[in-house]
Amino acid sequence: DGGITQSPKYLFRKEGQNVTLSCEQNLNHDAMYWYRQDPGQGLRLIYYSQIVNDFQKGDIAEGYSVSREKKESFPLTVTSAQKNPTAFYLCASSIVGVSNQPQHFGDGTRLSIL
Amino acid sequence: GENVEQHPSTLSVQEGDSAVIKCTYSDSASNYFPWYKQELGKRPQLIIDIRSNVGEKKDQRIAVTLNKTAKHFSLHITETQPEDSAVYFCAASPPGQNFVFGPGTRLSVLP
Repeated sequence: DGGITQSPKYLFRKEGQNVTLSCEQNLNHDAMYWYRQDPGQGLRLIYYSQIVNDFQKGDIAEGYSVSREKKESFPLTVTSAQKNPTAFYLCASSIVGVSNQPQHFGDGTRLSIL
Repeated sequence: GENVEQHPSTLSVQEGDSAVIKCTYSDSASNYFPWYKQELGKRPQLIIDIRSNVGEKKDQRIAVTLNKTAKHFSLHITETQPEDSAVYFCAASPPGQNFVFGPGTRLSVLP
């Protein structure tokens, strides 16, 4: 069954701690994205990657880091530098083509501060 | 860069009535406009999309219209049902660029 899997569903971060959110897709999509969702603000782009071993900052990359060592995986690390990490984090993927293609989302990870 | 506004932020309709959500965008180069539905605590799901070479697209009770001159596009849901209650997001993207999402509209369908 094809799709995007995010884990864990809920995550708690202690002061000064880095945490990593997992995102795996078996759709054979080249592009992957990380969004942050806060109430009333829609989806804001953190990082994106259009090809393995390459990624670009989005609108709110400060305090986050990513890697793209495999086509199917795009983990997001929320570092201690992100002072307000409480949010719902969504991973997405899409085909890379001549024209823009729809993005498909995972079920999200809800991150809270302890 | 692209900026997307979405109205209204909340919308309540009686079951069976129609609902309309409108988005405006700023970049005239944007040529792809998807709409997503997100139920509480769940993933956004694509419900319909439109490209700039067409003015309207329908899928059963859902339709999207695009006015390129005015730079706005709208989602129309007819014969609303309780299961249509959710947050709806629009997005716009210029060619080869990332999506810019609107802030969302919370639709409540009252029985």
